[in-house]
Amino acid sequence: QVHLVQSGAEVKKPGASVKVSCTASGYTFTNYEINWVRQATGQGLEWMGRLNPNSGNKAYEQKFQGRVTMTRNTSTNTAYLELRSLTSHDTAVYFCARFFRPVTSPNYLYFGMDVWGQGTTVTVSS
Amino acid sequence: SYEMSQPPSVSVSPGQTASITCSGHKLEDKFVSWYQKKPGQSPVMVIYQDRGRPSGIPDRFSGSNSGNTATLTISGTQPMDEADYYCQAWDSNTVTVVFGGGTKLTVL
Repeated sequence: QVHLVQSGAEVKKPGASVKVSCTASGYTFTNYEINWVRQATGQGLEWMGRLNPNSGNKAYEQKFQGRVTMTRNTSTNTAYLELRSLTSHDTAVYFCARFFRPVTSPNYLYFGMDVWGQGTTVTVSS
Repeated sequence: SYEMSQPPSVSVSPGQTASITCSGHKLEDKFVSWYQKKPGQSPVMVIYQDRGRPSGIPDRFSGSNSGNTATLTISGTQPMDEADYYCQAWDSNTVTVVFGGGTKLTVL
């Protein structure tokens, strides 16, 4: 079975950084891009960026440029999201999600995200 | 940046058909996916590529996309379908994933 398992909840102070992990199992990690999506309480889903685990290439939503870093460790099949200079507005549940089609599939970006992690709650509070 | 809009809420009686719309400029030129999101749970993809249904999704879920509007249709809606639903597309101009604002489906 295909799974994405995320790290546990975090509580951070304003100005700090947080690093969330997402470990894949049940499929070839390097074949599918990983997205990071967050949802603040009472708000909608917000895309943060994506990471190609094979090449390491990433693309970030402009809103997060300069404050976010997405990385991976192919030996442990794990993707990471680091967000810096946290404020209360970053309090949210953070999800990793796999694109439905592998990177070798034509137009794989168009088919949505089929497997999601369980979510990691990040609370930013003084 | 590309924007997609959804009605904040839709209500339906059990057993009836629910339609949730997603509007965006020339949306028919993009492929739309739909996600079901229940409180405390991860999103679940219910439709991909406008009308594709992932394995395990009941056939009462269907999708369409024409002109400026994509539609998620739930036939014979069940109480378990009560959730927030989000449309999503890939914007090739900004090379970003875009989500609609979400629609709360109430089954009563």
